Amino acid sequence: DIVLTQSPALAVSLEQRATISCKTSQNVDNFGISYMHWYQQKPGQQPKLLIYEGSILASGIPARFSGSGSGTDFTLTIDPVEADDIATYYCQQSKDYPLTFGSGTKLEIK
Amino acid sequence: EVQLQQSGAELVKPGASVKLSCKTSGYTFSNYYMSWLKQMPGQNVEWIGNIYGGNGGTGYNQKFKGKATLTVDKSSSTAYMDLSSLTSEDSAVYFCARTDSNYYFDYWGQGVMVTVSS
Repeated sequence: DIVLTQSPALAVSLEQRATISCKTSQNVDNFGISYMHWYQQKPGQQPKLLIYEGSILASGIPARFSGSGSGTDFTLTIDPVEADDIATYYCQQSKDYPLTFGSGTKLEIK
Repeated sequence: EVQLQQSGAELVKPGASVKLSCKTSGYTFSNYYMSWLKQMPGQNVEWIGNIYGGNGGTGYNQKFKGKATLTVDKSSSTAYMDLSSLTSEDSAVYFCARTDSNYYFDYWGQGVMVTVSS
């Protein structure tokens, strides 16, 4: 199985930039597509798709969110951070079965 | 508007089975996969498997083979997941999620809490 590694928590100040990383145990790129996706989950809610295929913003997601990276190293950036962004952020790979998620990064406000 | 409406919370006894439902609307059910995912309290998300709405073809995470069985009813655009031989390790929130052809989850149900307790 492909293992995705995320830092457990990140504390940032409002209106600053948050950078959340996800490292994979194997390359998740194939034929120019990064099979890396990002989700936001608030307590008691279902996850919400933010970014798919590495860098494509999902429908209705503000441009404050962006995704980058390739191969085994990926980043979700939130700039600037707003109070409503307090949540846990998960990366997910779909290069290989089984589809797997990172353990999540909890975004906190300083 | 795409909507996925899951059935209500379940309290089941150890050793029993439970069938969860996910009724969809707002898109062509037979053109997409539906995935089921598990999230234990305070834990990360696990993918259980997926099923194609068009022909019922399935793919499972090896970890959940024998535990979960996925089916669909195209006539009602509803996906189902049977969970069998339940133990305390099956107590969790279960989500259904529409799955894109590149296997990311673009719409999610609200989740259903399954509690296994005697």
